Amino acid sequence: AQSVTQLGSHVSVSEGALVLLRCNYSSSVPPYLFWYVQYPNQGLQLLLKYTSAATLVKGINGFEAEFKKSETSFHLTKPSAHMSDAAEYFCAVSYFGNEKLTFGTGTRLTIIP
Amino acid sequence: EAQVTQNPRYLITVTGKKLTVTCSQNMNHEYMSWYRQDPGLGLRQIYYSMNVEVTDKGDVPEGYKVSRKEKRNFPLILESPSPNQTSLYFCASSLTSGRIRGRTNEQFFGPGTRLTVL
Repeated sequence: AQSVTQLGSHVSVSEGALVLLRCNYSSSVPPYLFWYVQYPNQGLQLLLKYTSAATLVKGINGFEAEFKKSETSFHLTKPSAHMSDAAEYFCAVSYFGNEKLTFGTGTRLTIIP
Repeated sequence: EAQVTQNPRYLITVTGKKLTVTCSQNMNHEYMSWYRQDPGLGLRQIYYSMNVEVTDKGDVPEGYKVSRKEKRNFPLILESPSPNQTSLYFCASSLTSGRIRGRTNEQFFGPGTRLTVL
């Protein structure tokens, strides 16, 4: 069975500050990991994905995430927050040969001017 | 434009009145799926379809039905809606890349349907 835990349902950072959103996974087989972003009143958009290639993954809008097998983590970071980053972020896990995504409960990111 | 579309986007209905939420994709994807999103619970899979005429239950299938008669369409049917089905629903699709070595199963999501059952 696979699962995802996102620590912190709400995170607030100042504009220009580092963004760090935490995701830990549980999977009995090598995982595929994803970060999705949901802007208000919109569907989910893929930010980045890990597929067993490079452990540091770069995504859109300046976000990146690092896969750490020893910590079973896939935290999302951005060096400098922008007001447009305010949204809800979801971490998700699946594995090769299975299209099913298991999502975390989401983290709502607020940017303070 | 490659996209997943859902209709309606907003729906208010009453308990017991059958409804259908449509989902269509124009990317020739084999895999389609329905999720519901509830505060504090994230997204949970309701049903999925690996291809035409192939559907299966997800994590929360009770009270829902689906059909996949055509590759592009995957409607979600609530035969007798109840207030606990008030939620935000998302349809998603992917090229069944989970089975293809070296590819990933990225899913593309529709804009969502906000359903309220009174």
